[in-house]
Amino acid sequence: DQQVKQNSPSLSVQEGRISILNCDYTNSMFDYFLWYKKYPAEGPTFLISISSIKDKNEDGRFTVFLNKSAKHLSLHIVPSQPGDSAVYFCAASAENTGNQFYFGTGTSLTVIP
Amino acid sequence: EPEVTQTPSHQVTQMGQEVILRCVPISNHLYFYWYRQILGQKVEFLVSFYNNEISEKSEIFDDQFSVERPDGSNFTLKIRSTKLEDSAMYFCASSDLRGTEAFFGQGTRLTVV
Repeated sequence: DQQVKQNSPSLSVQEGRISILNCDYTNSMFDYFLWYKKYPAEGPTFLISISSIKDKNEDGRFTVFLNKSAKHLSLHIVPSQPGDSAVYFCAASAENTGNQFYFGTGTSLTVIP
Repeated sequence: EPEVTQTPSHQVTQMGQEVILRCVPISNHLYFYWYRQILGQKVEFLVSFYNNEISEKSEIFDDQFSVERPDGSNFTLKIRSTKLEDSAMYFCASSDLRGTEAFFGQGTRLTVV
């Protein structure tokens, strides 16, 4: 049961342009969403989060947008840099799932210099 | 910067053997987790631990798995009788508050032969 979905397994973007990574979810009880970045042979690194009471959260070059009615969130990276090349996972949790985070399958971002 | 540390980084074991994966969470964190990622697949929740007991566990976390916090710093995952399909990256994570971002360790690559 895939409650969090990332339908694009990969994305290539030119350096300096915007990267948009998408994530959809099915559980309307999810109220906290996170993006993690993962390099090969390393653990996921927390990037940015958003709670369901907001529709946007910005941190430097990273902005997460949440559309609750569409059950969709996206991560915007602008400007994209070669060091951003990694696998990006979205994750979600809900009050009734306690501490359990549900992860998407990841999107591999390649930023081309 | 505080970090979650995991040992060993790579463990090779024979099918049927017991393995113990070790983790040192961030010191002031109260919630501890184990996740795993089979090669090419999504990050999957195994178990969360709070106040010296399991708070949630997934279907993956069957009787072959156990967790323990033997002292004030370590958090271990034991697999009693490993199977080939247990081969994966195992990630330990911790968080300070319920439902907030979890910080992940570098992972232990478990290979069952």
